Amino acid sequence: DTAVSQTPKYLVTQMGNDKSIKCEQNLGHDTMYWYKQDSKKFLKIMFSYNNKELIINETVPNRFSPKSPDKAHLNLHINSLELGDSAVYFCASSLSPSSPYEQYFGPGTRLTVT
Amino acid sequence: DQQVKQNSPSLSVQEGRISILNCDYTNSMFDYFLWYKKYPAEGPTFLISISSIKDKNEDGRFTVFLNKSAKHLSLHIVPSQPGDSAVYFCAASVETSYDKVIFGPGTSLSVIP
Repeated sequence: DTAVSQTPKYLVTQMGNDKSIKCEQNLGHDTMYWYKQDSKKFLKIMFSYNNKELIINETVPNRFSPKSPDKAHLNLHINSLELGDSAVYFCASSLSPSSPYEQYFGPGTRLTVT
Repeated sequence: DQQVKQNSPSLSVQEGRISILNCDYTNSMFDYFLWYKKYPAEGPTFLISISSIKDKNEDGRFTVFLNKSAKHLSLHIVPSQPGDSAVYFCAASVETSYDKVIFGPGTSLSVIP
């Protein structure tokens, strides 16, 4: 039974399009995250939500808008896609933001912008 | 500015021998450290962690050592197995912001049968 799932696994789209990536966790965790792994393989945090509220928003273009309809879901919507958005995007969750709990990652979504 | 560094992009080790993966950090405020393992086409999975109040934590074949004065930690895998072949990420966080985890660039470990 998948703990953190993401859809789609692969996404190929053209510049200027708008796309969404969905994430769901069935672990009962309070906190969810979006990470971007770029071409140099660095994993960088983009957003963090705790109980549907935004708690971390790193320096990310406002073309990226996270949406958390409930604490089990954190979707990522990207407007006006650019070539530099091509990367692997990972969703993750953890029990709480206030204790050093490990994060559980989804399988990733490979986004290719052409 | 990389706050968490893994200076060896790759490492090859014979099966049965010890694998030592190194990690250095620059932020002295970091007080919790984690290692994640990642197979191709999968997300990272948590492996082991250590708090700054300790200098060693062991879990089966995996041991993490922390040297705070040197701002250095290492992951030892003994004995190494082919299934350990993966990318290993070192990560760190601070007490005031445990949700903001800073990852290193990863070290690709190959265990040769």
